[in-house]
Amino acid sequence: DAGVIQSPRHEVTEMGQEVTLRCKPISGHDYLFWYRQTMMRGLELLIYFNNNVPIDDSGMPEDRFSAKMPNASFSTLKIQPSEPRDSAVYFCASSLQGPGETQYFGPGTRLLVL
Amino acid sequence: SQQGEEDPQALSIQEGENATMNCSYKTSINNLQWYRQNSGRGLVHLILIRSNEREKHSGRLRVTLDTSKKSSSLLITASRAADTASYFCATTTNSGYALNFGKGTSLLVTP
Repeated sequence: DAGVIQSPRHEVTEMGQEVTLRCKPISGHDYLFWYRQTMMRGLELLIYFNNNVPIDDSGMPEDRFSAKMPNASFSTLKIQPSEPRDSAVYFCASSLQGPGETQYFGPGTRLLVL
Repeated sequence: SQQGEEDPQALSIQEGENATMNCSYKTSINNLQWYRQNSGRGLVHLILIRSNEREKHSGRLRVTLDTSKKSSSLLITASRAADTASYFCATTTNSGYALNFGKGTSLLVTP
């Protein structure tokens, strides 16, 4: 298996622009997670899905952030409009057994909002 | 919210030495996991220890869990330069909520 795939790997955009991050989980994994990593706050869980259904989005910072999972093999995290404080590395992870079990992380998307 | 807290924040050792990192947490857990992150990469799962286990081994890794002290330690024996990375502990509470990560220990192993 190719592991969790994320795209793009790097994104530079200007404040106010829409940003869409993409993730393909490992085939057969029913759980998908979106994390954000910054130096100040560490690794934060934004949202997770089970069988394509959002289970907990309490970590989503504000209404500018939205996530979807239209099918078992694809998820998006969208920021609209983007702000400089959204600059971070965004990770997608998937899990076979549940939110508290082993998670497999993608390589991340490094986002810079100017 | 962050549950686990690693100590030390940074650790520098020479190849061949052992590296010990600690993790403390605040509330009762279901399990605790350790992950490694190389610079610019995603996290890689190392080991999972459940609340009813006290010690677990995987190759050069040894993890202990003391639920009475709400702490865990990760020991890397005979370290190598390739072990240079950040190491994170992550906990799951008994409610089965998703992982809560600490801020990590940055390990530097010099040849």
